[in-house]
Amino acid sequence: DAGVTQSPTHLIKTRGQQVTLRCSPKSGHDTVSWYQQALGQGPQFIFQYYEEEERQRGNFPDRFSGHQYPNYSSELNVNALLLGDSALYLCASSLVPGSYEQYFGPGTRLTVT
Amino acid sequence: GNSVTQMEGPVTLSEEAFLTINCTYTATGYPSLFWYVQYPGEGLQLLLKATKADDKGSNKGFEATYRKETTSFHLEKGSVQVSDSAVYFCALIFLNTGNQFYFGTGTSLTVIP
Repeated sequence: DAGVTQSPTHLIKTRGQQVTLRCSPKSGHDTVSWYQQALGQGPQFIFQYYEEEERQRGNFPDRFSGHQYPNYSSELNVNALLLGDSALYLCASSLVPGSYEQYFGPGTRLTVT
Repeated sequence: GNSVTQMEGPVTLSEEAFLTINCTYTATGYPSLFWYVQYPGEGLQLLLKATKADDKGSNKGFEATYRKETTSFHLEKGSVQVSDSAVYFCALIFLNTGNQFYFGTGTSLTVIP
């Protein structure tokens, strides 16, 4: 049983560009959450998707958007990249939105130059 | 607001030493408390949890007790091993909503032989 998978593992972008990160949840999970982990910091909640809708959002600007597909996989899109967006982006999946049993993927390391 | 404060690292211990990583929290309600561990190059893994006051979470020799009176959830292990070297995150979540974790900044532990 595959756990949470994320792609790509690393990428480098230039300021002002746009980026899309992808996440496949653990088998049987229908809820996906995204977190940003800056270097030396704890993960910060970006948003959560369930039934293809954004259910809750953290304190992130509209440049951060997402999508969930019918197969429960999810994308995180970031527009107009800033240097400060450089971070490890973590995806977590759970059985239902209210569950605290969240399984984290290995993350995507984004570097903005 | 909701927040988690962890003792700053890095922490370096000799093998078989006693470990304590302090964690305190501020919350607007009654959260559930967690410790996650992040090994190099990997995602977050749930280490242990406690869902109500006075509960003790335990796993792999690690323990933490939910102390409501001191709003603390300190992580302890009686005898650390080299394989315990990792970054440890304290986190809280509210069971009723369960949508987002609030993480501390993490404490890096290095165990030397």
